[in-house]
Amino acid sequence: NAGVTQTPKFRVLKTGQSMTLLCAQDMNHEYMYWYRQDPGMGLRLIHYSVGEGTTAKGEVPDGYNVSRLKKQNFLLGLESAAPSQTSVYFCASRASGGPYNEQFFGPGTRLTVL
Amino acid sequence: AQSVAQPEDQVNVAEGNPLTVKCTYSVSGNPYLFWYVQYPNRGLQFLLKYITGDNLVKGSYGFEAEFNKSQTSFHLKKPSALVSDSALYFCAVRDGGKLIFGQGTELSVKP
Repeated sequence: NAGVTQTPKFRVLKTGQSMTLLCAQDMNHEYMYWYRQDPGMGLRLIHYSVGEGTTAKGEVPDGYNVSRLKKQNFLLGLESAAPSQTSVYFCASRASGGPYNEQFFGPGTRLTVL
Repeated sequence: AQSVAQPEDQVNVAEGNPLTVKCTYSVSGNPYLFWYVQYPNRGLQFLLKYITGDNLVKGSYGFEAEFNKSQTSFHLKKPSALVSDSALYFCAVRDGGKLIFGQGTELSVKP
């Protein structure tokens, strides 16, 4: 039982390049989330999904797109990377059945955009 | 809108002393509150949550949190700090299907 995994762990991009971050969970969770973490700002929600085939915008969605084609995977895409997207990205998932179920987090992806 | 605030960027404690990491909240309706811990270069780990009931909530690694409705606070506590407790701590509040996080508090426990 691996929990929540993220690929890749590190990445350096040049401005304008694109990339996709992959999140996978093996807990059969309905809900999945993408956050970014920046110093002094805590975690901010980018996009989330309440089930396979659904996505919704979070607090800071601009410049990102997501897809949830399979229940266990949640992809975060950057179409044209900008230096402001330099951050650590975390994926999380939680079970349905109650709004107070805790979220389980992946280990993070450290992205640098030059 | 739901929000939480962590008024201290950093808390320094000597090993063996009690520790408190502060969190205040602002919600409409019943608050669902959480504490998470992040060790260096790791993802967040769940510590404990308050849903309803007892105002003192016990969690992982000997941590507990006290919910105070009149002061709108949910402070994290531990009676005796360990050096290994040094980490970044986040308070969070449920907002629909999402979590709203505080800015985080860096806890440093010195031998």
